[in-house]
Amino acid sequence: DIVMTQTPLSSPVTLGQPASISCRSSQSLVHSDGNTYLSWLQQRPGQPPRLLIYRISNRFSGVPDRFSGSGAGTDFTLKISRVEAEDVGVYYCMQATQFPYSFGQGTKLEIK
Amino acid sequence: EVQLLESGGGLVQPGGSLRLSCAASGFTFSSYAMSWVRQAPGKGLEWVSAIGGSGVGTNYADSVKGRFTISRDNVKNTLYLQMSSLRAEDTALYYCAKRTGDSWGQGTLVTVSS
Repeated sequence: DIVMTQTPLSSPVTLGQPASISCRSSQSLVHSDGNTYLSWLQQRPGQPPRLLIYRISNRFSGVPDRFSGSGAGTDFTLKISRVEAEDVGVYYCMQATQFPYSFGQGTKLEIK
Repeated sequence: EVQLLESGGGLVQPGGSLRLSCAASGFTFSSYAMSWVRQAPGKGLEWVSAIGGSGVGTNYADSVKGRFTISRDNVKNTLYLQMSSLRAEDTALYYCAKRTGDSWGQGTLVTVSS
């Protein structure tokens, strides 16, 4: 099974400053079809998760362009260029390359 | 607009059974794989199961394999999760998700306790 490891687990950030979350998989997420099924999701307090980024770097519909994803193989990064108050919540990476699908532990983004 | 509405959660005794439903609208249901994901109180997300658009092809987390069954009715546009031999550790908010998570319902709470 693929294990997803996120760092840090908690990230206090000043409003307007950038934030970065890393996600590492225990094996390559490159699918046999050539795609890499690595997504990033945001879960605001009391809300269901929401898809932000799919296939490493593609922003989902309606996601602000301050969110960006990068990486390849086993190492991936979510960046927020300028954190806003509405970005508070928990961020998860998820792999859907191989069953069983798996999530990282989550990174809690909070405002300093 | 995609809408996913879960139902069927509740309090059940250990060893009991429950069937969750997820009513889908706003998209061509039969064209998409669907997933169940759960979240224990105060914990992270755990993928539970997925099913292909036609209903052929199902997969499960090891923690539920042999106890849970995912299915769908493409006429009723509804996804199901039949849960049996429930354990305390199955207590969670259960979400249905379109494909691998591009849309999510609000979740239905399952509590396994005597």
